[in-house]
Amino acid sequence: DTGVSQDPRHKITKRGQNVTFRCDPISEHNRLYWYRQTLGQGPEFLTYFQNEAQLEKSRLLSDRFSAERPKGSFSTLEIQRTEQGDSAMYLCATLAVGGYGYTFGSGTRLTVV
Amino acid sequence: GQQVMQIPQYQHVQEGEDFTTYCNSSTTLSNIQWYKQRPGGHPVFLIQLVKSGEVKKQKRLTFQFGEAKKNSSLHITATQTTDVGTYFCASRSNSGGSNYKLTFGKGTLLTVNP
Repeated sequence: DTGVSQDPRHKITKRGQNVTFRCDPISEHNRLYWYRQTLGQGPEFLTYFQNEAQLEKSRLLSDRFSAERPKGSFSTLEIQRTEQGDSAMYLCATLAVGGYGYTFGSGTRLTVV
Repeated sequence: GQQVMQIPQYQHVQEGEDFTTYCNSSTTLSNIQWYKQRPGGHPVFLIQLVKSGEVKKQKRLTFQFGEAKKNSSLHITATQTTDVGTYFCASRSNSGGSNYKLTFGKGTLLTVNP
């Protein structure tokens, strides 16, 4: 148990469908990140929240992607009109105030068919 | 963002042999972090280096940060099968503010033959 929970662990969806992933961070960690990882690559930054404020979004995050963190607790990442290129592992990571090493969740593996 | 390049991409060793992975940047890095990801798992934070020439050890693992802060290495002495996984280096953005966004290298996949 890493302390960062992600749900679901796996998601298979048909192209064009919408999907939503959830991340529950370690309670005292105010910084929350979403990363995407494809096979053979390192994690790529998608977006960052400090408490409830979304402070940065990557250019990788097209307008089909939206993320929220209401009340600065759990976060959701939604992908609309999924495409096969969206197939990847979506990782949530959190960081404590004054901390520097990320704590990653187990990820959600998305397969778009 | 700051790009970090890792070599080699893959490394296969016999159990008991040493292993080294290298991380390089064309620009000066504010810090370097190392993560390990087991097959099917998620990245796990190992260590952060911030000072020029810094060397840190964790049991059989030795981490170094170059004098110019443009490169780093992770060395494992006498590998064991439990060392199998992908080792990533990552550097924190210099964009300022409170965003501790990390840019990851592509990783080095280590496999160990028992």
